[in-house]
Amino acid sequence: GQNIDQPTEMTATEGAIVQINCTYQTSGFNGLFWYQQHAGEAPTFLSYNVLDGLEEKGRFSSFLSRSKGYSYLLLKELQMKDSASYLCAVMDSNYQLIWGAGTKLIIKP
Amino acid sequence: ETGVTQTPRHLVMGMTNKKSLKCEQHLGHNAMYWYKQSAKKPLELMFVYNFKEQTENNSVPSRFSPECPNSSHLFLHLHTLQPEDSALYLCASSQDSGNPSYEQYFGPGTRLTVT
Repeated sequence: GQNIDQPTEMTATEGAIVQINCTYQTSGFNGLFWYQQHAGEAPTFLSYNVLDGLEEKGRFSSFLSRSKGYSYLLLKELQMKDSASYLCAVMDSNYQLIWGAGTKLIIKP
Repeated sequence: ETGVTQTPRHLVMGMTNKKSLKCEQHLGHNAMYWYKQSAKKPLELMFVYNFKEQTENNSVPSRFSPECPNSSHLFLHLHTLQPEDSALYLCASSQDSGNPSYEQYFGPGTRLTVT
């Protein structure tokens, strides 16, 4: 079966750095997405990785290793507004997104 | 605002009712999706339409019936639902469901409670 694993919840301090990991086993691979979802709101797109390596976009970076079936989302200089759930999703060979259950990130002052 | 709107935002219905959820996208996209989101569970893809044609139906019970009259509008018709169908129903759109580089844009969802 297809499976996406990510931690259920993480806590970090304002101004710090946090890394959210995602491991996957899917039928084929057409890219990995990270989305952010604030409570009661729509998920919004953060990043897309299809090749190995690190993609940096402001305070957020996303890393992919296809051979290891592994990705992480790195958030720097954490702000209170970063408190949200972070969803990892992989597009399989049928171009369907397979989603993880999400990581709830709690930022403390 | 993501360019995808959903109505109603909240819906309470009995198991014998018939209701419909509406989604509209203002992004000029060609693909639209229905997802079910339950607490602490992964998003479940229900239906995909690409250029108004249904391309996926992920073993969804027949009490859920989608309708896509054009590329901008998507409906989910509900009838004789069960309490376990209570969840957040999210609509999304993208440029093309067959191109992996196009991200999906989500609406705010409809919170459905079945009593």
